[in-house]
Amino acid sequence: SQQGEEDPQALSIQEGENATMNCSYKTSINNLQWYRQNSGRGLVHLILIRSNEREKHSGRLRVTLDTSKKSSSLLITASRAADTASYFCATDAGYGNKLVFGAGTILRVKS
Amino acid sequence: EPEVTQTPSHQVTQMGQEVILRCVPISNHLYFYWYRQILGQKVEFLVSFYNNEISEKSEIFDDQFSVERPDGSNFTLKIRSTKLEDSAMYFCASSEIQGARLGTEAFFGQGTRLTVV
Repeated sequence: SQQGEEDPQALSIQEGENATMNCSYKTSINNLQWYRQNSGRGLVHLILIRSNEREKHSGRLRVTLDTSKKSSSLLITASRAADTASYFCATDAGYGNKLVFGAGTILRVKS
Repeated sequence: EPEVTQTPSHQVTQMGQEVILRCVPISNHLYFYWYRQILGQKVEFLVSFYNNEISEKSEIFDDQFSVERPDGSNFTLKIRSTKLEDSAMYFCASSEIQGARLGTEAFFGQGTRLTVV
């Protein structure tokens, strides 16, 4: 089974608008993380939310987690052109130490 | 700020050749990982390494793959006989303590783009 499926696959917005990306997963998790990847570059950790948390903020980022629906959302407020990147959710697999990544959302912020 | 460094950034190799991808994890980290991302696809876990041995590996990590920590700083991924389908971006990552399950942040390198021709 696949873990961590994001939607939308691609999102194009104007600078200043908010961007919301969603992630769904299938198995029980201990935590969920969001990563950002600029084109052809490495993955940068953005934020982690644990299974007993419902919402977390970090600067312009807001993450929610609904374990009953096995879903999470990442909200970027007041987007900037520099936010243009791919965003991935990643969950632990419930055991071990590996991250299971979703397919990602490609965000384009137009200036 | 400490970072994970990977070399080379891009490697082109002939099918059937051996390649070694190199990584220098963050110095006080104890857990090391390799992931790969085939173009346009998800980032996939390959292997995790702790205390000089593999702690977990995926189905992708078959006998063609091996990892090593040859000294106190480097962490390498070797592909013995490359196939066309090994073409991908390979990411090294490290974490201070146990990783995903305990919610420890994994720090990723910039990746090595491997192209098998």
